[in-house]
Amino acid sequence: QSVLTQPPSASGTPGQRVTISCSGSSSNIGSNYVYWYQQLPGTAPKLLIYRHNQRPSGVPDRFSGSKSGTSASLAISGLRSEDEADYYCAAWDDSLSGHWVFGGGTKLTVL
Amino acid sequence: QVQLQESGPGQVKPSETLSLTCTVSAYSISSGYYWGWIRQPPGKGLEWIGTISHSGTTYYNPSLKSRVSISVDTSKNQFSLKLSSVTAADTAVYYCARRGGFFDIWGQGTMVTVSS
Repeated sequence: QSVLTQPPSASGTPGQRVTISCSGSSSNIGSNYVYWYQQLPGTAPKLLIYRHNQRPSGVPDRFSGSKSGTSASLAISGLRSEDEADYYCAAWDDSLSGHWVFGGGTKLTVL
Repeated sequence: QVQLQESGPGQVKPSETLSLTCTVSAYSISSGYYWGWIRQPPGKGLEWIGTISHSGTTYYNPSLKSRVSISVDTSKNQFSLKLSSVTAADTAVYYCARRGGFFDIWGQGTMVTVSS
């Protein structure tokens, strides 16, 4: 069971806006940055969002992140077929001398 | 651009030690950053294993700490993972990655199966 909680699945049609949630606690999301990764089938995870809402160079502005309290969200607007992938949230957790924790992942299906 | 490549046996017997190496290209490990290992069991999510600094300071996942060792060889521009007393639960794709404040560059991953 993952420390960060994500819905196992999400879906939307092309052009729609979808949101993926990530719930944590005061020792992780509540006090540290949140990161989001996209994993296309058979490939390594790719950094999508860092420090809650920053996009690395090359990531379209259709992707956005936010954080409120001990939860975070990834929003994808103008959904495209190539967005079909697994999405993971991550954060540093201050408990137990500190360690990185990930969400269980959300599989996004573009209908 | 900076690239990372995992290497090592694709199969390990139960109770033995899993050993993997990550070779970094286009960047000198001794220049900085942290370097980490993350794994992903088949069909499951990501699990952080541990991280090492260029100077050798290590941080391990508390759930794996008793079995994990990560080391760095700056002369070869590599860092390595050893996981002892493996079981079928350690079967996974193992990724190495660079960590600034976060894991920004990943290797392609290597599948390791624990089986006799």
